[in-house]
Parts: sequence; structure tokens; C-alpha cells
Amino acid sequence: NAGVTQTPKFQVLKTGQSMTLQCAQDMNHNSMYWYRQDPGMGLRLIYYSASEGTTDKGEVPNGYNVSRLNKREFSLRLESAAPSQTSVYFCASSEVRQGRYEQYFGPGTRLTVT
Amino acid sequence: AQKVTQAQTEISVVEKEDVTLDCVYETRDTTYYLFWYKQPPSGELVFLIRRNSFDEQNEISGRYSWNFQKSTSSFNFTITASQVVDSAVYFCALNYGNNRLAFGKGNQVVVIP
Repeated sequence: NAGVTQTPKFQVLKTGQSMTLQCAQDMNHNSMYWYRQDPGMGLRLIYYSASEGTTDKGEVPNGYNVSRLNKREFSLRLESAAPSQTSVYFCASSEVRQGRYEQYFGPGTRLTVT
Repeated sequence: AQKVTQAQTEISVVEKEDVTLDCVYETRDTTYYLFWYKQPPSGELVFLIRRNSFDEQNEISGRYSWNFQKSTSSFNFTITASQVVDSAVYFCALNYGNNRLAFGKGNQVVVIP
């Protein structure tokens, strides 16, 4: 049981380059999320997908796009990377089943934009 | 709007001392969950505890304890007899619509041997 997996773990981009961060979960959760973590800021929600086929903006969506490819996968795309997007990115999934709340985070992707 | 405030930024303690982390939250929801996560230097987020808004019973789990007081919107966390392995950043979080989480800015705990 892998839980939530993210690729890559580390990435260095030059300003203006694009890339896609991949996330997959194997728990059959309906909801998935992308957060970013900056020093002293805690984690902030970028985008989320409440269910397959839906996506919505979070607190800091500018400069990002997302795709809920299927129930398992939720990708985050940077079309034109900027130094301000240097951060650690966490993917998460969640579900409430029979009154029990489940939420799991991936190991994170450390992105540096130069 | 949901908001989580962790007032202290960095807390240093000598090993075996107790350390308490304060968390104050704001929400208009009547039903919600509160969380504490630990982030060690390796960077992953480690789930510590989840409480729902109906359960104000405080809990002790090993060296960890939690004090949830709905009347003051606080969800404080105590590490008893701290150890060097407790050195980490600790986050308080509150869930809201579609199980999104609002995080506090975190407390850096440094345990000095």
C-alpha cells in the first residue's frame, strides 16, 4: 500500500521553463489537493479536486494549472516557472468513510526555480 | 473564513523539559476537525492527532497530550519530557469545505541535549 506518491522528489528549473508535478494515490479517495510550503508560511492550498472530473482554485492558484486525470492521479503544472514558485509542494488525498476521516500526504517535491 | 494561528515561531527547550504549543482557530462551521502534524528535518508530514469538534475530551498518548477547548477556540499540544527526536516543526490545521486544510505557520521546536 503506497499511499500518496509524488514525482519527482527534487527539481531545478530555469525561469520560464515548464514542468508537471505528478501525484497518485491508491486508497480510492475522491478528494485530492496540492499545497505549497514556504518558509514561515505554513502550507497553503493551490488547487483541489473534490471528485474525479472537478477542480477548484485554492488560496494561491496563480501560475498553476491542474488536471484530475482519473480518480487516482492529480497533476500540477507550472507553465512558465518563476523564482517565486520555489517551494516544497505536497499532494494529499482524503475521504470520509463510515464516519472515519482519512487524509494522507505525499512525501513532497522540492522545486527550485533559478 | 478559516484561520489558524500559532503564535510562537521557534521554541527551544532543554531535553526532558515539557513544551506546549498553542493553536487558536477561527471558523464559522459547526462541525470541523482539528489536526496536529509534525515535520521532522527530513521534510515529510507526520500525522499526530485528529479531533472532531464534538469531542472535547482531552487525550494523552505516550509523551503527547492535547487540550481542546471549544469555548476559547484553542487546540494546544504538549510534549512531556522532550527528547532530541522531538526537534521538528509542528503544524496545527483546521479542515473546512471538501476536507481542505487551513494550516498555521508552524512552531519550530528545538530540543537541546
